[in-house]
Amino acid sequence: QVQLQESGPGLVKPSGTLSLTCAVSGGSISSSNWWSWVRQPPGKGLEWIGEIYHSGSTNYNPSLKSRVTISVDKSKNQFSLKLSSVTAADTAVYYCARGHSSSWYWWFDPWGQGTLVTVSS
Amino acid sequence: SSELTQDPAVSVALGQTVRITCQGDSLRSYYASWYQQKPGQAPVLVIYGKNNRPSGIPDRFSGSSSGNTASLTITGAQAEDEADYYCNSRDSSGNPWVFGGGTKLTVL
Repeated sequence: QVQLQESGPGLVKPSGTLSLTCAVSGGSISSSNWWSWVRQPPGKGLEWIGEIYHSGSTNYNPSLKSRVTISVDKSKNQFSLKLSSVTAADTAVYYCARGHSSSWYWWFDPWGQGTLVTVSS
Repeated sequence: SSELTQDPAVSVALGQTVRITCQGDSLRSYYASWYQQKPGQAPVLVIYGKNNRPSGIPDRFSGSSSGNTASLTITGAQAEDEADYYCNSRDSSGNPWVFGGGTKLTVL
């Protein structure tokens, strides 16, 4: 079955750019799915960041849109997240997830295991 | 933008039935999906759509929806069901996806 694995630096300096990659295994990133990034600050709830389709079409959370870029690399079967101008408020566990849709049914499954990114000098 | 509202905490006696609710305008257009998250772990899908369970999810988990409210029901709660539960739906009003704030379920 499809598995997702996040990777990237666990520590980013303030004002820097957070960069993460999600490797997709057991399936193709070119399938009919949207691929999302979701984050969770320590002790808090889930926040959707953005999504990408294999064609390169993207949607972003309006609250983060000015700082977020999501891209796809079909040759490597992976997609990536860049978040610029980070502050301590961006410290969180970052998850990647596969999105499904069928009429009025939309859901995320599976999720990656998550990776903690800390913003600190 | 649309939001989803959940009770922060709910408790249930072992073996009893508990309902966790989620309210929001987006639920008038889209079904909710529900995720279970245990400490230190990634969220796991437990219910999606009208009332669909992924493979491996016990049938004591069920979902329902009416108007702007979606519900997750656990019939005969077990100790291993103690976790945070999040609802989530697609949204067409601005932010494509919205999550509820989460409900911490305690099994007594």
